[in-house]
Amino acid sequence: DGGITQSPKYLFRKEGQNVTLSCEQNLNHDAMYWYRQDPGQGLRLIYYSQIVNDFQKGDIAEGYSVSREKKESFPLTVTSAQKNPTAFYLCASSITGGPRGTDTQYFGPGTRLTVL
Amino acid sequence: QQQVKQSPQSLIVQKGGISIINCAYENTAFDYFPWYQQFPGKGPALLIAIRPDVSEKKEGRFTISFNKSAKQFSLHIMDSQPGDSATYFCAASTGGFGNEKLTFGTGTRLTIIP
Repeated sequence: DGGITQSPKYLFRKEGQNVTLSCEQNLNHDAMYWYRQDPGQGLRLIYYSQIVNDFQKGDIAEGYSVSREKKESFPLTVTSAQKNPTAFYLCASSITGGPRGTDTQYFGPGTRLTVL
Repeated sequence: QQQVKQSPQSLIVQKGGISIINCAYENTAFDYFPWYQQFPGKGPALLIAIRPDVSEKKEGRFTISFNKSAKQFSLHIMDSQPGDSATYFCAASTGGFGNEKLTFGTGTRLTIIP
């Protein structure tokens, strides 16, 4: 059963603590993405990675960090430097370099992070 | 800088009616225009997508209309059903290797009433 898994579904943390969100995919996709979703603002790209051991900043990377040590995994760390971390975080993946029409991004179920 | 503008922010349609959501873009290099559907507490799921070499694409009750000269595209949901109640996002990308990242609109919350 192929897909993208994110864990946990709900996460609560105290202000000032770093927290790591998990994202795993078994679709054999090269590219993975992290988005943040806030009400009325759509999806904003945090980081993306097109190959293992390489990643690029998105539009709102400040206060976040990522790693891509394995093709299947792209964890996101929300650091204490992120001023407003409470949000719904979505991970996605896609193939790269394929023919036109194959660059669809597939999303995981999301993690809702609440910082108390 | 928001490169994809989506309207309306919310929409209420009677069951059986036509729901229409519009998007406009600025970057003429955009080459791929998907629409995503998202239910509360879930991740978005691809609904339908179009490339600029066609002006319309239809899949079941869902149709994308694309106007390249106006830099606009829209989603039409025919015979709207209560199960269509969700948030819809348009998006765009330049496509091709290394350009798969999407720019999303701000979303439209659609409610279908009986």
